[in-house]
Amino acid sequence: VQLVQSGAEVKKPGASVKVSCKASGYSFTTYYIHWMRQAPGQGLEWMGLINPNAGNINYAQKFQGRVTMTRDTSTSTVYMELRSLTSEDTAIYYCARTFYTDGYNLDYWGQGTLITVSS
Amino acid sequence: DIQMTQSPSSLSASVGDRITITCRANQTILDYLCWLQKRPGRPPNLLIYAASTLQSGVPSRIIGSGSGTEFTLTINSLQPEDFGTYYCQQSYSIPLTFGGGTKVEIK
Repeated sequence: VQLVQSGAEVKKPGASVKVSCKASGYSFTTYYIHWMRQAPGQGLEWMGLINPNAGNINYAQKFQGRVTMTRDTSTSTVYMELRSLTSEDTAIYYCARTFYTDGYNLDYWGQGTLITVSS
Repeated sequence: DIQMTQSPSSLSASVGDRITITCRANQTILDYLCWLQKRPGRPPNLLIYAASTLQSGVPSRIIGSGSGTEFTLTINSLQPEDFGTYYCQQSYSIPLTFGGGTKVEIK
């Protein structure tokens, strides 16, 4: 099982960023993909999830209206786009999977993508 | 949202020691509780799920217990690779929420 994320990016305030998470080694449509982030010196924060099978999505209220999660089943890839970036969005962003039932256990994680927002 | 509270926020211990970390939820989450280890430069690593079930490959000196609202992570015979920050996470409902973390330093 692997979740491989896209590389680090530097963005200016107000810009958008789109991070990818390519899954391999398992049945892509059987596991939800979640996005979390960790800002410098801070803890883990859940952003939302996408069901790669049906495409339905659940976003954390904090990010509603500013985040979009999509998937491409042909390439087993999930995308997370975050808009209207500010310096507070500087963080490492992670994708992770959970099985679709019996608890949201984040058993495999991507390597993380550093997003730096700076003018 | 379910709030998760961990204590202590940090601790320092020697190799061979036993350490205990506590996590509390502000409402019952049955046994839907995970423990993750975060080391610098690495993604979080799932250690325990369902409050007490060891993830594959995790050594048996790591023990989880508890149910309802109170949970404990115990590491027996602390090893150098155990340094890092430990997070509890409720796996009961969306939105997923994490404790604030416990930073473990090896003396």
